[in-house]
Amino acid sequence: QKEVEQNSGPLSVPEGAIASLNCTYSDRGSQSFFWYRQYSGKSPELIMSIYSNGDKEDGRFTAQLNKASQYVSLLIRDSQPSDSATYLCAAFKAAGNKLTFGGGTRVLVKP
Amino acid sequence: DVKVTQSSRYLVKRTGEKVFLECVQDMDHENMFWYRQDPGLGLRLIYFSYDVKMKEKGDIPEGYSVSREKKERFSLILESASTNQTSMYLCASGIAGEQYFGPGTRLTVT
Repeated sequence: QKEVEQNSGPLSVPEGAIASLNCTYSDRGSQSFFWYRQYSGKSPELIMSIYSNGDKEDGRFTAQLNKASQYVSLLIRDSQPSDSATYLCAAFKAAGNKLTFGGGTRVLVKP
Repeated sequence: DVKVTQSSRYLVKRTGEKVFLECVQDMDHENMFWYRQDPGLGLRLIYFSYDVKMKEKGDIPEGYSVSREKKERFSLILESASTNQTSMYLCASGIAGEQYFGPGTRLTVT
């Protein structure tokens, strides 16, 4: 079992709709969680961080964390073609200073 | 804005060559990281450093070494390049899980 799991996609979303991305993690010692966006041919870029249970909103992005279920999600509201990218979920554990990435979910926003 | 730069965007080397990949960050971060990214395998940590002259092995350190002589600079060394080290190499710096990546070096070993 991978430590951080994501559906590889592609997740196809019409422009203006909500894209919903899911991520599960296996290590209960993970303390904080991050979403990175990676455009094709580019390096990952941090877009969201979440440290406690509940929702965190930043513009069109909402991150959700449920530590009891070991589940993290990212919602992209009013999806735009420019949101088409691979989204990487990552879990951080202070012991060992380790950030573990999932395999990423590819999102395609169709005009 | 955090800036992480890498010495080359593309590199082609022959099997057995010693290869140096350099990374520089301008945000005074103590932590720096080297990853490789391969299709189907995702991002994997090779080595990281939490201070000058300090290093820790990541998940796949075999065949690699690192050097951190100055806080802003972190080098990845392939002692004797092999074809299975053909990959995209990404350097990052940051605090805990908030990491900032350089543009990457696509290394091809022939």
